Amino acid sequence: DVKVTQSSRYLVKRTGEKVFLECVQDMDHENMFWYRQDPGLGLRLIYFSYDVKMKEKGDIPEGYSVSREKKERFSLILESASTNQTSMYLCASSFSGDTEAFFGQGTRLTVV
Amino acid sequence: TQLLEQSPQFLSIQEGENLTVYCNSSSVFSSLQWYRQEPGEGPVLLVTVVTGGEVKKLKRLTFQFGDARKDSSLHITAAQPGDTGLYLCAGGTGNQFYFGTGTSLTVIP
Repeated sequence: DVKVTQSSRYLVKRTGEKVFLECVQDMDHENMFWYRQDPGLGLRLIYFSYDVKMKEKGDIPEGYSVSREKKERFSLILESASTNQTSMYLCASSFSGDTEAFFGQGTRLTVV
Repeated sequence: TQLLEQSPQFLSIQEGENLTVYCNSSSVFSSLQWYRQEPGEGPVLLVTVVTGGEVKKLKRLTFQFGDARKDSSLHITAAQPGDTGLYLCAGGTGNQFYFGTGTSLTVIP
């Protein structure tokens, strides 16, 4: 079975902190994605990566950056956390862009 | 850009009833997936459909991909409380997935 693991289930951070969300997949997938999910807004793509060291902006990249130094690991970085970044963050991976995506369990981030 | 529209947005039914959820788009997708998400968890893949007109069954769930590969439906027969959750459709094209806003289903015992 494909496994996508996010480093934390719950995080509470202070405004202005630098926050790292880690995601690891074990299926040698090329593509990895970071989404945030908010009530009424659905899943919104923040960044995705189709290869090591490659990254593409999604729909809402402002305030975020990503890092993919190894194929299996995709990190999301909040440079200076703000309260409007309180959300559920979901990492996903897929073999290609038009095969199915597999999700991690999610990280519920609260910025106070 | 919201490419996938799901309806209804909310659905509350009694145990044993049947229901259908729709996922519509003006765009053609090379594949379409359905996911179920429970509160506080990540979405879990239910099925992938790739061929226009394709029908797949997963126990009491029946998935259909439209002939033109722009829309899909999910039909649940004799719903059970364990079916409660957020149902998401997603279309794949190029290097990205596009998600619908979801249908929140509640099955009342």
